[in-house]
Amino acid sequence: LAKTTQPISMDSYEGQEVNITCSHNNIATNDYITWYQQFPSQGPRFIIQGYKTKVTNEVASLFIPADRKSSTLSLPRVSLSDTAVYYCLVGAFYNQGGKLIFGQGTELSVKP
Amino acid sequence: EPEVTQTPSHQVTQMGQEVILRCVPISNHLYFYWYRQILGQKVEFLVSFYNNEISEKSEIFDDQFSVERPDGSNFTLKIRSTKLEDSAMYFCASSAPPSGQGWEKLFFGSGTQLSVL
Repeated sequence: LAKTTQPISMDSYEGQEVNITCSHNNIATNDYITWYQQFPSQGPRFIIQGYKTKVTNEVASLFIPADRKSSTLSLPRVSLSDTAVYYCLVGAFYNQGGKLIFGQGTELSVKP
Repeated sequence: EPEVTQTPSHQVTQMGQEVILRCVPISNHLYFYWYRQILGQKVEFLVSFYNNEISEKSEIFDDQFSVERPDGSNFTLKIRSTKLEDSAMYFCASSAPPSGQGWEKLFFGSGTQLSVL
């Protein structure tokens, strides 16, 4: 399983763009990069998934460079409600039998 | 958006007692999961389940743990003889079968807070 490294915590202010970078140097060819968000006392919630280049949805963008050894989750114009823990996960479903492993995550604190 | 439902939301038990945590996954999903999270720690994988069989399990999921899909709608986690260290939030999740190598969204329930006294 590819090991991921992401900052333990980040601070931001309302209205700013937040970029959280995840390092995954030993990513395998079949691995996808997936990000989840978790609010206190709630289960994680899927944000976005990508394999290469850029993926955008209504919530976030995911930037993946050509070597795929890192990825950046971009949250545009954050609000207080974006305060949460953000997890970067790397893997391939069938290679892992559905074993999706969460790391420590990045605790994002958005201030007014 | 569809939801995974977990009951009860809180469960208090005595050490050594058996507990069953219940989950109703999203109706057309075929993959089911249990995770747990000890307060202040990361989300830990316990087990994945597909086609009435365990697909993968972690080292946490020892002989004290079992899972079952007793009917077409429920998915349960049983802990036979609870220990103090089993106190945690237990999350059930479900997903559709993946269409490729990528992961389908896992939909998580709101969790059952288990307290072992």
